[in-house]
Amino acid sequence: DAGITQSPRHKVTETGTPVTLRCHQTENHRYMYWYRQDPGHGLRLIHYSYGVKDTDKGEVSDGYSVSRSKTEDFLLTLESATSSQTSVYFCAISETTGVGAEKLFFGSGTQLSVL
Amino acid sequence: GDSVTQMEGPVTLSEEAFLTINCTYTATGYPSLFWYVQYPGEGLQLLLKATKADDKGSNKGFEATYRKETTSFHLEKGSVQVSDSAVYFCALYSQGGSEKLVFGKGTKLTVNP
Repeated sequence: DAGITQSPRHKVTETGTPVTLRCHQTENHRYMYWYRQDPGHGLRLIHYSYGVKDTDKGEVSDGYSVSRSKTEDFLLTLESATSSQTSVYFCAISETTGVGAEKLFFGSGTQLSVL
Repeated sequence: GDSVTQMEGPVTLSEEAFLTINCTYTATGYPSLFWYVQYPGEGLQLLLKATKADDKGSNKGFEATYRKETTSFHLEKGSVQVSDSAVYFCALYSQGGSEKLVFGKGTKLTVNP
């Protein structure tokens, strides 16, 4: 299994509080991604990173920010959590983009509940 | 833009039944097509792929053929097992298009003994 660790695995928080989810990899892969998974929507890309300090927005980036200060860590921050951000969040990594980028390795997910 | 449409679930089958999960796509550029599987409580993992028209991807008894003329990539298995119970995602990667992996909404499969 690819070395991807997401923390925490579960979190319950209140509306308006800041939340940070962490993704840590031991594979030294360049590309890292944050997805959210919701019933009826499948997986949607929030943000991704193509290197240290290089990040870009996905299709559902509003309300989220990310940071990548080291190759192995990719942080997802909800500055002020809302109930619509209740979801399962998955981190994924890939070694390359272009051909081969389809080989994403996923973490086990973080279940976030915003009350 | 790039998009994937999967058949709505959930799908419930008896063990040893034949499985088909339909997937169609719209893509710019030159798409490669994939099926990912998510077992309960886990992240997604790549099940099979096809990178050009008429290619057949296969793994663990599952097959899918890349049909450019019908823009389809349907997943099939001749005899499902209880252990195949999972959520299945069709996905595409379009070289020269969005150049991101785009997922369908997923189809939940439950296989009963």
